[in-house]
Amino acid sequence: GEDVEQSLFLSVREGDSSVINCTYTDSSSTYLYWYKQEPGAGLQLLTYIFSNMDMKQDQRLTVLLNKKDKHLSLRIADTQTGDSAIYFCAETRRDDKIIFGKGTRLHILP
Amino acid sequence: DAGITQSPRHKVTETGTPVTLRCHQTENHRYMYWYRQDPGHGLRLIHYSYGVKDTDKGEVSDGYSVSRSKTEDFLLTLESATSSQTSVYFCAISGLAGGPSDEQFFGPGTRLTVL
Repeated sequence: GEDVEQSLFLSVREGDSSVINCTYTDSSSTYLYWYKQEPGAGLQLLTYIFSNMDMKQDQRLTVLLNKKDKHLSLRIADTQTGDSAIYFCAETRRDDKIIFGKGTRLHILP
Repeated sequence: DAGITQSPRHKVTETGTPVTLRCHQTENHRYMYWYRQDPGHGLRLIHYSYGVKDTDKGEVSDGYSVSRSKTEDFLLTLESATSSQTSVYFCAISGLAGGPSDEQFFGPGTRLTVL
């Protein structure tokens, strides 16, 4: 398909791990991104991975990239209430445009 | 954080009126973008600019025009606003050397309501 796909909602208990999945479209994408949007604010780059990497870890965040399946995931360890936000997956296409998914709303349960 | 502002932050207007949204950056980034964000659609690119006076269409450009006469300002104009253009509009910039080549920084957004 032409769209970057991600599930719209995810609920996780505080302290558990959150895993947000994304399927992208362009096998030649050089960078893949995860952006975070908190209520009433713009998007902020959370992390990114270069296409020649399989995994990237940054404190509580782990990004996994499966190029064969064009699958990207973001794992947030020890999820906190401050992690409640919408998370957008994005890819860079051949024409250098960045295409965003529709966003996954992460809801933290007490 | 990249210095990027949008004005106005909120606007209510009537169908058929012209509207101009302004994006201003203080970072000397080359690329500037206008997106709209709607429930169920995520972010969709309206227009973008790759330099002064250089602009191109995105995926939802109909009904919108842009201008970039200075590096720091990117204007989005709705010549005759329609209710379908009620949305939250985000400006973004990119092109800072030293970061991932396509990392974008976003403005705070403009909530536009067309009655």
